Amino acid sequence: AQSVTQLDSQVPVFEEAPVELRCNYSSSVSVYLFWYVQYPNQGLQLLLKYLSGSTLVKGINGFEAEFNKSQTSFHLRKPSVHISDTAEYFCAVMAGVTGGGNKLTFGTGTQLKVEL
Amino acid sequence: ETGVTQTPRHLVMGMTNKKSLKCEQHLGHNAMYWYKQSAKKPLELMFVYNFKEQTENNSVPSRFSPECPNSSHLFLHLHTLQPEDSALYLCASSQAPDSRGGYTFGSGTRLTVV
Repeated sequence: AQSVTQLDSQVPVFEEAPVELRCNYSSSVSVYLFWYVQYPNQGLQLLLKYLSGSTLVKGINGFEAEFNKSQTSFHLRKPSVHISDTAEYFCAVMAGVTGGGNKLTFGTGTQLKVEL
Repeated sequence: ETGVTQTPRHLVMGMTNKKSLKCEQHLGHNAMYWYKQSAKKPLELMFVYNFKEQTENNSVPSRFSPECPNSSHLFLHLHTLQPEDSALYLCASSQAPDSRGGYTFGSGTRLTVV
């Protein structure tokens, strides 16, 4: 089974500052990794995903994430945040092997609050 | 319509009522999911349907009854709910078998049990 840990429940940051949201995963098999964003009263929207290949993946809204197999991490970064980035961010993992099923397991989420 | 549509957006029901949540996807996906999102708790996977067949039930109480008549539609029938069932219920879909494209979520139904 796979699991995800998002250690930071809240991250406050000033507008135009850089931000990093941390995500660590646990799995006995190779994995697919995802970041989702949830704005108030909405569903989850896919920001980016890592399936294989280049460890640096770029997503929508200027976000990027780096897969680090040795540290079992998939941290999300943005060099300069905007007020509109205020939202909850979820890291998620899925088994990336044939026959591994398609169950997506989520972390507990990190609330990003961008302040002026 | 595109994406995943959930109706109603908001629902208030008494503990003795019976209601249903509806989810429809227009993406040609063949797997659908129900998640429960409560305040201060992780997203809870409730049910998984692959090719219309239920493949996972995460010990969900029987007062929640899912139905998947075809690959595009998913229902969650509710009866004799408890106040602790108040939450945001999210539907999602994906392209099985490996769903490597990720899930596409609807906007959710905000359920309040009074």
